Amino acid sequence: AQSVAQPEDQVNVAEGNPLTVKCTYSVSGNPYLFWYVQYPNRGLQFLLKYITGDNLVKGSYGFEAEFNKSQTSFHLKKPSALVSDSALYFCAVRDKYSGGGADGLTFGKGTHLIIQP
Amino acid sequence: SQTIHQWPATLVQPVGSPLSLECTVEGTSNPNLYWYRQAAGRGLQLLFYSVGIGQISSEVPQNLSASRPQDRQFILSSKKLLLSDSGFYLCASGVIYTGELFFGEGSRLTVL
Repeated sequence: AQSVAQPEDQVNVAEGNPLTVKCTYSVSGNPYLFWYVQYPNRGLQFLLKYITGDNLVKGSYGFEAEFNKSQTSFHLKKPSALVSDSALYFCAVRDKYSGGGADGLTFGKGTHLIIQP
Repeated sequence: SQTIHQWPATLVQPVGSPLSLECTVEGTSNPNLYWYRQAAGRGLQLLFYSVGIGQISSEVPQNLSASRPQDRQFILSSKKLLLSDSGFYLCASGVIYTGELFFGEGSRLTVL
């Protein structure tokens, strides 16, 4: 079985400061990891993914995430937050050797990111 | 990349009325398709998934059903809506190899 934990319901950051949204995962094999962002009343938008290779992954809108196998974490980061980054962020995981269907992505419960002017 | 179209975007229906939400996919063939429900702007609940035409799997018992009449068409239906069916419904299409999902813009259903 695979699972994802986003331990923070909400993260508050001042504009211009660095931000981190935490994610830890559990899979039986090698993980594929994803971050998605959702703005109010919109669908989820893909931000970035880790499949293999470099542990530091760069994605859309200046976001990046670092895959840490020993800590089973995939935290989302940005060096300087913008008010427009305020949204709901989802981490998701899939075991590399699982199939499609219900063995697809498992999502965390989401973290509200609030950037204060 | 894939594009997911969902309609209607918003829907207000009385209790006991039928429902049909539609989803079509562009930019891929034979995708895995998914219906999720999201309550109160939080987590996603997987309702149905399909790996091919006419192949539907349900993740939770409920008042809803799904159908896949064509390769890139996925429909969510109900014969009689309940108040508890209110929510934000998201259709998604999956990349087979990685499991990466592409989402539609969602359909907000309010049952009164």
